[in-house]
Amino acid sequence: NAGVTQTPKFQVLKTGQSMTLQCAQDMNHNSMYWYRQDPGMGLRLIYYSASEGTTDKGEVPNGYNVSRLNKREFSLRLESAAPSQTSVYFCASRGRAGNTIYFGEGSWLTVV
Amino acid sequence: KNEVEQSPQNLTAQEGEFITINCSYSVGISALHWLQQHPGGGIVSLFMLSSGKKKHGRLIATINIQEKHSSLHITASHPRDSAVYICAVISGTASKLTFGTGTRLQVTL
Repeated sequence: NAGVTQTPKFQVLKTGQSMTLQCAQDMNHNSMYWYRQDPGMGLRLIYYSASEGTTDKGEVPNGYNVSRLNKREFSLRLESAAPSQTSVYFCASRGRAGNTIYFGEGSWLTVV
Repeated sequence: KNEVEQSPQNLTAQEGEFITINCSYSVGISALHWLQQHPGGGIVSLFMLSSGKKKHGRLIATINIQEKHSSLHITASHPRDSAVYICAVISGTASKLTFGTGTRLQVTL
């Protein structure tokens, strides 16, 4: 999807390791989101950010931290990865009210 | 109880059939989105609604704000419509985005 770039696309971690998922958008959007998708569970919101410097917890924030240092980038950090965090992670962004949501292509994370 | 409920969870249809997917939500919203996810993961936005009805090709989306309900209709369904369709709502001053669990649609020849 044009406009939202997330990295890495695939990652295997050992339990206890840390890593950061990066997300960047070039559409000057205010709102950015991180969510995870698990089989049979749908998309669940981890954290979101309405603007630079602000973040809010979603449905499943435990075990994650986020950072919105500028308008363009919103990173998701796993400080001590657990097998329960094996999932597909998607980043999304949205402009002002009435704008379409744009999604990154997803990051497949496996914690062993 | 989830803030956003979709039905049905799974749907199988024959080519040409008229399809309806429903979404109900329990919170005040500023907008509702219908999304499509094909196998392989890519997610695209189909519609954004805050009132009334929108049409794009064979897809029609409606919303009733008073009843907190939206529907996505597909006319003359085709196998290429096979995908997961997801309803998402925007709520709160911080534009929280909450998803339904999705409806898996399979259209057969």
